Amino acid sequence: GAGVSQSPRYKVAKRGQDVALRCDPISGHVSLFWYQQALGQGPEFLTYFQNEAQLDKSGLPSDRFFAERPEGSVSTLKIQRTQQEDSAVYLCASSRGDARLGYTEAFFGQGTRLTVV
Amino acid sequence: QQQVKQSPQSLIVQKGGISIINCAYENTAFDYFPWYQQFPGKGPALLIAIRPDVSEKKEGRFTISFNKSAKQFSLHIMDSQPGDSATYFCAARDSWGKLQFGAGTQVVVTP
Repeated sequence: GAGVSQSPRYKVAKRGQDVALRCDPISGHVSLFWYQQALGQGPEFLTYFQNEAQLDKSGLPSDRFFAERPEGSVSTLKIQRTQQEDSAVYLCASSRGDARLGYTEAFFGQGTRLTVV
Repeated sequence: QQQVKQSPQSLIVQKGGISIINCAYENTAFDYFPWYQQFPGKGPALLIAIRPDVSEKKEGRFTISFNKSAKQFSLHIMDSQPGDSATYFCAARDSWGKLQFGAGTQVVVTP
Protein backbone atom coordinates (compact mmCIF):
# COMPACT_ATOMS: atom_id res chain seq x y z
CA GLY A 1 0.00 0.00 0.00
CA ALA A 2 0.96 3.62 -0.26
CA GLY A 3 1.12 4.24 3.45
CA VAL A 4 0.79 2.70 6.88
CA SER A 5 -2.65 1.20 7.30
CA GLN A 6 -4.30 0.58 10.65
CA SER A 7 -7.52 -1.23 11.43
CA PRO A 8 -10.03 -0.84 12.78
CA ARG A 9 -10.18 2.96 12.72
CA TYR A 10 -12.48 2.97 15.71
CA LYS A 11 -13.06 0.39 18.41
CA VAL A 12 -15.46 0.51 21.33
CA ALA A 13 -14.80 -2.14 23.94
CA LYS A 14 -16.55 -2.95 27.15
CA ARG A 15 -14.33 -2.91 30.20
CA GLY A 16 -12.73 -6.30 30.61
CA GLN A 17 -12.93 -7.18 26.92
CA ASP A 18 -9.84 -8.13 24.92
CA VAL A 19 -9.02 -6.15 21.77
CA ALA A 20 -6.60 -6.58 18.86
CA LEU A 21 -5.36 -3.68 16.77
CA ARG A 22 -3.71 -4.27 13.42
CA CYS A 23 -0.96 -2.39 11.63
CA ASP A 24 0.11 -2.90 8.01
CA PRO A 25 3.39 -1.03 7.57
CA ILE A 26 4.78 0.26 4.31
CA SER A 27 6.08 -2.70 2.32
CA GLY A 28 9.75 -3.38 2.99
CA HIS A 29 10.00 -1.21 6.08
CA VAL A 30 12.21 -2.81 8.67
CA SER A 31 11.31 -0.80 11.74
CA LEU A 32 7.86 -0.65 13.29
CA PHE A 33 6.76 1.34 16.31
CA TRP A 34 3.58 1.49 18.35
CA TYR A 35 2.65 4.71 20.17
CA GLN A 36 -0.25 5.60 22.42
CA GLN A 37 -1.76 9.07 22.14
CA ALA A 38 -4.09 10.24 24.88
CA LEU A 39 -6.53 13.02 24.10
CA GLY A 40 -4.75 16.35 23.82
CA GLN A 41 -1.31 14.81 24.36
CA GLY A 42 1.67 13.83 22.27
CA PRO A 43 2.24 10.22 21.26
CA GLU A 44 4.02 8.06 23.82
CA PHE A 45 6.23 5.14 22.84
CA LEU A 46 4.96 1.65 23.53
CA THR A 47 7.16 -0.83 21.66
CA TYR A 48 9.59 -1.27 18.75
CA PHE A 49 10.17 -4.07 16.28
CA GLN A 50 13.02 -4.59 13.88
CA ASN A 51 11.64 -7.10 11.40
CA GLU A 52 10.06 -9.79 13.60
CA ALA A 53 12.22 -9.09 16.66
CA GLN A 54 10.69 -7.02 19.43
CA LEU A 55 13.73 -5.05 20.57
CA ASP A 56 12.13 -2.65 23.00
CA LYS A 57 8.90 -3.01 24.91
CA SER A 58 9.77 -0.62 27.70
CA GLY A 59 6.76 1.60 27.03
CA LEU A 60 4.06 -1.04 27.41
CA PRO A 61 2.08 0.16 30.45
CA SER A 62 1.23 -3.24 31.88
CA ASP A 63 1.37 -6.95 31.18
CA ARG A 64 -2.11 -6.63 29.69
CA PHE A 65 -0.46 -5.15 26.61
CA PHE A 66 1.17 -7.48 24.12
CA ALA A 67 2.50 -6.87 20.61
CA GLU A 68 3.75 -9.17 17.90
CA ARG A 69 5.07 -9.06 14.36
CA PRO A 70 5.57 -12.73 13.56
CA GLU A 71 6.63 -12.47 9.91
CA GLY A 72 8.29 -9.10 10.06
CA SER A 73 5.47 -7.29 8.30
CA VAL A 74 1.98 -6.94 9.82
CA SER A 75 1.90 -6.21 13.53
CA THR A 76 -0.85 -6.67 16.10
CA LEU A 77 -1.18 -4.87 19.40
CA LYS A 78 -3.34 -6.81 21.82
CA ILE A 79 -4.81 -5.42 25.00
CA GLN A 80 -6.30 -7.88 27.44
CA ARG A 81 -8.99 -7.07 30.01
CA THR A 82 -9.30 -3.47 28.79
CA GLN A 83 -9.65 -0.70 31.35
CA GLN A 84 -11.02 2.81 30.94
CA GLU A 85 -7.52 4.27 31.17
CA ASP A 86 -6.64 2.35 27.99
CA SER A 87 -8.89 4.69 25.99
CA ALA A 88 -6.61 6.48 23.54
CA VAL A 89 -5.52 6.58 19.92
CA TYR A 90 -3.02 3.85 19.12
CA LEU A 91 -0.61 4.86 16.38
CA CYS A 92 1.64 2.64 14.35
CA ALA A 93 4.69 3.97 12.51
CA SER A 94 7.17 2.31 10.19
CA SER A 95 10.52 3.33 8.77
CA ARG A 96 12.75 1.92 6.08
CA GLY A 97 15.95 1.34 8.00
CA ASP A 98 17.12 0.13 11.38
CA ALA A 99 15.98 2.91 13.70
CA ARG A 100 18.90 2.29 16.05
CA LEU A 101 21.50 3.09 13.40
CA GLY A 102 20.33 6.51 12.42
CA TYR A 103 17.26 8.46 11.74
CA THR A 104 15.08 7.30 8.91
CA GLU A 105 11.74 9.02 8.54
CA ALA A 106 8.93 7.38 10.45
CA PHE A 107 5.61 7.27 8.61
CA PHE A 108 2.55 7.13 10.82
CA GLY A 109 -0.79 5.49 10.20
CA GLN A 110 -4.06 7.23 10.98
CA GLY A 111 -4.38 5.36 14.23
CA THR A 112 -7.05 3.31 15.95
CA ARG A 113 -9.23 5.22 18.41
CA LEU A 114 -10.03 2.88 21.28
CA THR A 115 -12.83 3.78 23.67
CA VAL A 116 -13.37 1.57 26.68
CA VAL A 117 -16.83 1.91 28.24
CA GLN B 1 7.72 12.25 33.00
CA GLN B 2 7.86 14.24 29.81
CA GLN B 3 11.37 14.43 28.42
CA VAL B 4 10.50 17.11 25.89
CA LYS B 5 8.63 20.19 27.09
CA GLN B 6 6.65 22.17 24.51
CA SER B 7 5.02 25.59 24.66
CA PRO B 8 2.63 27.23 24.14
CA GLN B 9 -0.24 24.78 24.40
CA SER B 10 -2.14 26.75 21.78
CA LEU B 11 -1.80 29.87 19.73
CA ILE B 12 -3.88 31.97 17.38
CA VAL B 13 -2.22 33.88 14.57
CA GLN B 14 -3.57 35.98 11.76
CA LYS B 15 -3.05 34.95 8.16
CA GLY B 16 0.36 36.17 7.08
CA GLY B 17 1.71 36.25 10.62
CA ILE B 18 4.48 34.25 12.25
CA SER B 19 3.82 31.26 14.51
CA ILE B 20 6.54 30.33 16.98
CA ILE B 21 6.59 27.12 19.00
CA ASN B 22 9.28 26.32 21.54
CA CYS B 23 10.64 23.06 22.91
CA ALA B 24 13.20 22.19 25.57
CA TYR B 25 14.85 18.90 26.48
CA GLU B 26 17.20 17.54 29.11
CA ASN B 27 18.64 14.35 27.64
CA THR B 28 21.87 15.21 25.82
CA ALA B 29 21.81 11.79 24.16
CA PHE B 30 19.00 12.89 21.85
CA ASP B 31 20.45 13.00 18.34
CA TYR B 32 17.66 14.11 16.02
CA PHE B 33 14.85 16.60 16.42
CA PRO B 34 11.85 16.32 14.08
CA TRP B 35 8.68 18.36 14.04
CA TYR B 36 5.39 16.71 13.18
CA GLN B 37 2.13 18.21 11.94
CA GLN B 38 -1.13 16.47 12.82
CA PHE B 39 -4.60 17.20 11.48
CA PRO B 40 -7.72 15.91 13.28
CA GLY B 41 -8.28 12.23 12.64
CA LYS B 42 -4.90 11.78 10.99
CA GLY B 43 -1.56 10.47 12.12
CA PRO B 44 1.39 12.81 12.63
CA ALA B 45 3.31 13.68 9.46
CA LEU B 46 6.94 14.76 9.39
CA LEU B 47 7.27 18.47 8.66
CA ILE B 48 10.93 19.29 9.11
CA ALA B 49 13.81 17.93 11.18
CA ILE B 50 17.26 18.99 12.37
CA ARG B 51 20.41 17.39 13.73
CA PRO B 52 22.10 18.91 16.81
CA ASP B 53 25.21 19.98 14.90
CA VAL B 54 23.15 22.45 12.87
CA SER B 55 21.82 25.71 14.32
CA GLU B 56 19.12 26.43 11.77
CA LYS B 57 17.26 24.66 8.99
CA LYS B 58 14.76 26.21 6.62
CA GLU B 59 12.32 24.50 4.30
CA GLY B 60 9.92 26.83 2.57
CA ARG B 61 7.94 28.74 5.19
CA PHE B 62 9.13 26.49 8.03
CA THR B 63 12.34 27.10 9.99
CA ILE B 64 13.85 25.24 12.92
CA SER B 65 16.23 27.11 15.21
CA PHE B 66 18.38 24.90 17.44
CA ASN B 67 20.37 25.98 20.50
CA LYS B 68 22.44 23.03 21.67
CA SER B 69 23.94 24.73 24.72
CA ALA B 70 20.52 25.79 25.99
CA LYS B 71 18.95 22.48 24.97
CA GLN B 72 16.16 24.31 23.23
CA PHE B 73 14.74 24.33 19.73
CA SER B 74 11.89 26.12 18.07
CA LEU B 75 9.70 26.05 14.99
CA HIS B 76 8.87 29.22 13.11
CA ILE B 77 6.04 29.21 10.59
CA MET B 78 6.34 32.27 8.37
CA ASP B 79 3.45 33.79 6.42
CA SER B 80 1.00 31.50 8.25
CA GLN B 81 -1.93 30.26 6.16
CA PRO B 82 -5.33 28.87 7.20
CA GLY B 83 -4.19 25.48 5.89
CA ASP B 84 -1.45 25.50 8.55
CA SER B 85 -4.11 25.20 11.26
CA ALA B 86 -3.16 21.93 12.95
CA THR B 87 -1.47 20.53 16.01
CA TYR B 88 2.33 20.61 15.94
CA PHE B 89 4.55 18.28 17.93
CA CYS B 90 8.23 18.58 18.53
CA ALA B 91 10.09 15.35 19.15
CA ALA B 92 13.53 14.06 20.00
CA ARG B 93 15.06 10.77 18.98
CA ASP B 94 16.98 8.74 21.54
CA SER B 95 19.84 6.35 20.89
CA TRP B 96 17.44 3.41 20.55
CA GLY B 97 15.59 5.14 17.76
CA LYS B 98 12.37 5.90 19.56
CA LEU B 99 10.83 9.35 19.54
CA GLN B 100 9.96 11.34 22.66
CA PHE B 101 7.20 13.81 21.80
CA GLY B 102 6.21 17.11 23.31
CA ALA B 103 2.61 17.64 24.41
CA GLY B 104 1.69 19.52 21.24
CA THR B 105 0.68 23.02 20.21
CA GLN B 106 -2.67 23.68 18.58
CA VAL B 107 -2.23 26.41 15.98
CA VAL B 108 -5.21 28.29 14.60
CA VAL B 109 -4.65 30.67 11.68
CA THR B 110 -7.47 33.16 11.27
CA PRO B 111 -8.35 34.56 7.83
